[in-house]
Amino acid sequence: AQSVTQPDIHITVSEGASLELRCNYSYGATPYLFWYVQSPGQGLQLLLKYFSGDTLVQGIKGFEAEFKRSQSSFNLRKPSVHWSDAAEYFCAVGAGSGGSNYKLTFGKGTLLTVNP
Amino acid sequence: KAGVTQTPRYLIKTRGQQVTLSCSPISGHRSVSWYQQTPGQGLQFLFEYFSETQRNKGNFPGRFSGRQFSNSRSEMNVSTLELGDSALYLCASSRGEGQGNFGVGYTFGSGTRLTVV
Repeated sequence: AQSVTQPDIHITVSEGASLELRCNYSYGATPYLFWYVQSPGQGLQLLLKYFSGDTLVQGIKGFEAEFKRSQSSFNLRKPSVHWSDAAEYFCAVGAGSGGSNYKLTFGKGTLLTVNP
Repeated sequence: KAGVTQTPRYLIKTRGQQVTLSCSPISGHRSVSWYQQTPGQGLQFLFEYFSETQRNKGNFPGRFSGRQFSNSRSEMNVSTLELGDSALYLCASSRGEGQGNFGVGYTFGSGTRLTVV
């Protein structure tokens, strides 16, 4: 069974500082990996996804993530955080197509607070 | 193109009642998934439908059910509501088949906030 761990429940950074949100996954085959962001009272917005190929993935809003198979990690990064980035961030893993695997398994999320 | 539409946005129900939530996927998407989000359990998968067939189901009691119509719109129903069913219910749509199932990722709606009193 697949699982996702986001070790940091809450992170606080200053505006303009760099950001890294950690994500570790467990899955037996090549995973499909996603980062979503959720603002209060809203649904989930897809930031970026990894399926194959280049292990450094660029997403929206200046975010990027790096897939490291040896560490089973897919950490999200941003070089300079803006106050509008304050939200909750979810890492998710999806199995490949076929069978009973048409679902995403999410981590518990990391709440990001941005100080002015 | 229009996104995923969930109705209603908010609901307040009494214990023991039943509720039906609706989800209209992105045009051309044939897969609809449902997730429950609570502060304690996080995001949990309920079920997924593709072409009117349930392909996958999470670990929820039989009080939770769903269906999908020929136009890909989906409904989920919760019967005999309990206080613990209070949650944000999120619907997600995707193309749903082959490698392309994840090709565009899942697009989520804004959710239905259900409060059981």
